[in-house]
Amino acid sequence: GAGVSQSPRYKVAKRGQDVALRCDPISGHVSLFWYQQALGQGPEFLTYFQNEAQLDKSGLPSDRFFAERPEGSVSTLKIQRTQQEDSAVYLCASSARDSNTGELFFGEGSRLTVL
Amino acid sequence: QQPVQSPQAVILREGEDAVINCSSSKALYSVHWYRQKHGEAPVFLMILLKGGEQKGHDKISASFNEKKQQSSLYLTASQLSYSGTYFCGTEMGSSNTGKLIFGQGTTLQVKP
Repeated sequence: GAGVSQSPRYKVAKRGQDVALRCDPISGHVSLFWYQQALGQGPEFLTYFQNEAQLDKSGLPSDRFFAERPEGSVSTLKIQRTQQEDSAVYLCASSARDSNTGELFFGEGSRLTVL
Repeated sequence: QQPVQSPQAVILREGEDAVINCSSSKALYSVHWYRQKHGEAPVFLMILLKGGEQKGHDKISASFNEKKQQSSLYLTASQLSYSGTYFCGTEMGSSNTGKLIFGQGTTLQVKP
């Protein structure tokens, strides 16, 4: 596809369940970012990859959150033992990172609701 | 560390102008501006690197005052399509990594 694709678009989980959110970046984009957006707030940085290397995971809120990008393209954000405070939209963005434009291309997000 | 945006919300009539401000307490490498419509992905508007440059995109322009660590987004002759939430994203340090800290957003509503 032409843009960043995320799935599922909507996920309802019972508290304590594990969830996995997938991000398919724009083909050839080196950098991939995960952001968390609570209702009415700006996106908050979680982690980012350059190819398959996770260069910064300082924004992950707890050790229940784990992200991977094993082959440098598709990425998965996994949340274990979900809690109600994990309810948010999880945005993935990719960037070519080979120019000074700095543009992040965002997906439409995965909306997680934890009951 | 999160930049502060003002105002929180703006209501305009078509054709009116608006200014959205973004302030940081930390030294910035760059400021990015995005617009997000309800239920959609944020869309890139422009990036300003330190050096006080100003950029324009159609009737939307922005400035970056490095000394004050402030950026302003100028929307002139607003159109209905300008409605949405505007976020500034700031990047600190000395390199363009793309790791952004976003403000809380400014909601803009343009009425006919």
